[in-house]
Amino acid sequence: DAGVIQSPRHEVTEMGQEVTLRCKPISGHDYLFWYRQTMMRGLELLIYFNNNVPIDDSGMPEDRFSAKMPNASFSTLKIQPSEPRDSAVYFCASSLITGNTIYFGEGSWLTVV
Amino acid sequence: AQSVTQLDSHVSVSEGTPVLLRCNYSSSYSPSLFWYVQHPNKGLQLLLKYTSAATLVKGINGFEAEFKKSETSFHLTKPSAHMSDAAEYFCVVSGGNQGGKLIFGQGTELSVKP
Repeated sequence: DAGVIQSPRHEVTEMGQEVTLRCKPISGHDYLFWYRQTMMRGLELLIYFNNNVPIDDSGMPEDRFSAKMPNASFSTLKIQPSEPRDSAVYFCASSLITGNTIYFGEGSWLTVV
Repeated sequence: AQSVTQLDSHVSVSEGTPVLLRCNYSSSYSPSLFWYVQHPNKGLQLLLKYTSAATLVKGINGFEAEFKKSETSFHLTKPSAHMSDAAEYFCVVSGGNQGGKLIFGQGTELSVKP
C-alpha cells in the first residue's frame, strides 16, 4: 500500500508568490494532519481534518495560510503571499482513528527567497 | 492538557554501547505514546507505540521503550548502538481530549561515534 504522498518534494519560490502543497493520505484513513518543521520551533501542528472536515486550525500561523480537503484522498496547504519566514519542511500525515499511529509523508521542503 | 518533555536535546554514544533517550509525559487521560525517528532530510518513521497493552514495548531496529505510569516516563532504549541509529528521535503523546492529534517533544539528536 502506498504511504502518504506529498508534492512537490522541493520548492524554491520568491517572496510574495503563492505556494500550494499537496497531499494524498493513505486510503481509508479518516484523519489528515499538516505539520511544519523548523529548526527554531521544531514540529508544529498547523491543522488537522477528520472525515474531510477541519477540526483544529489553531496552529495555522496567520491568514496567509489556508488548508482544504475537498475529498478523502486529497488535501492542499496554500500560502499566499509567501514570506521568507515560511521556509520550512511541511509534512502531511494521516491516521485511521484517533490515538492510532500517524503515518507521515516525506515532506515538502519549501524555501522562500 | 497533554505535554511531553524530552530531557536531552543531544545524546552522544559510541557504537556498540547502550542508548537511552529520556521522555516524560503529562496527561490527564490514559495516553497513547509513540517514538518516531527522523533521519537527515527524511520524513518521520514510527519506531514503536504504547497503547495500554504491555508496558514494555518492542519496536523496530532493536529499540524498546517502557511505560512507567508512576514516573510518567516512556524512555527509549537500545542495548547496542549502530552507526545507522544516528538521527533525531521524537517522543509523542496522543489521545484524551486532543482528538486525533499528536503532541511532539522537542526531539533528541542521537550521535553515534565509531
